[in-house]
Amino acid sequence: QVTLRESGPALVKPTQTLTLTCTFAGFSLSTPGMCVSWIRQPPGKALEWLARIDWDDDKYYSTSLKTRLTISKDTSKNQVVLTMTNMDPVDTATYYCARIFTPQGRYFDYWGQGTLVTVSS
Amino acid sequence: DIQMTQSPSSLSASVGDRVTITCQASQDINNYLYWYQQRPGKAPKLLIYDASKLETGVPSRFSGSGFGTDFTFAISSLQPEDIATYYCQQYDNLPSFGQGTRLEIK
Repeated sequence: QVTLRESGPALVKPTQTLTLTCTFAGFSLSTPGMCVSWIRQPPGKALEWLARIDWDDDKYYSTSLKTRLTISKDTSKNQVVLTMTNMDPVDTATYYCARIFTPQGRYFDYWGQGTLVTVSS
Repeated sequence: DIQMTQSPSSLSASVGDRVTITCQASQDINNYLYWYQQRPGKAPKLLIYDASKLETGVPSRFSGSGFGTDFTFAISSLQPEDIATYYCQQYDNLPSFGQGTRLEIK
């Protein structure tokens, strides 16, 4: 059974760095074609893709946020970590991690439940 | 970056109605178009992949069509449990989502 779960601070201060962890089960990020992405959703607004990491450690970032984002993985722990620097109140959102398995397609087939991050002093 | 223009932004319909949502890509995305349903407080759920293929377990009243830049999502007979926000997503190079369509029951 495939599951993903996001964890991290619920509250961060402006200018701080956010670190989120996605812990998953039911698949391995060493399997060719396996990828994990981060996606966020401000309250009442649309989904926004942030970053992706692949089984071979290839990394992709949102064009508008790439200077602030770093994605990494720990295959042995089944974890993917996202860091976002210089947090601002506009970064308040629910952050999701989701899986892509490219031999099947380019869609997010499994999602975590999301974690709400509020940016406020 | 590819922009996705989704319309309408909100929609009110009666149970049993046929409902359609459109999504237009700013450039050709082949059939790399996906539709998700998001109920309040929940993560998105995949309904349609590769523009027209129904995800396993999704009711057949949901359908998708289109290729290139213009895509349509439809619910053939609206049910009360279909109340949600629907998103299109493309993945030609880097992924992006439409702005969403909030579906309500009249």
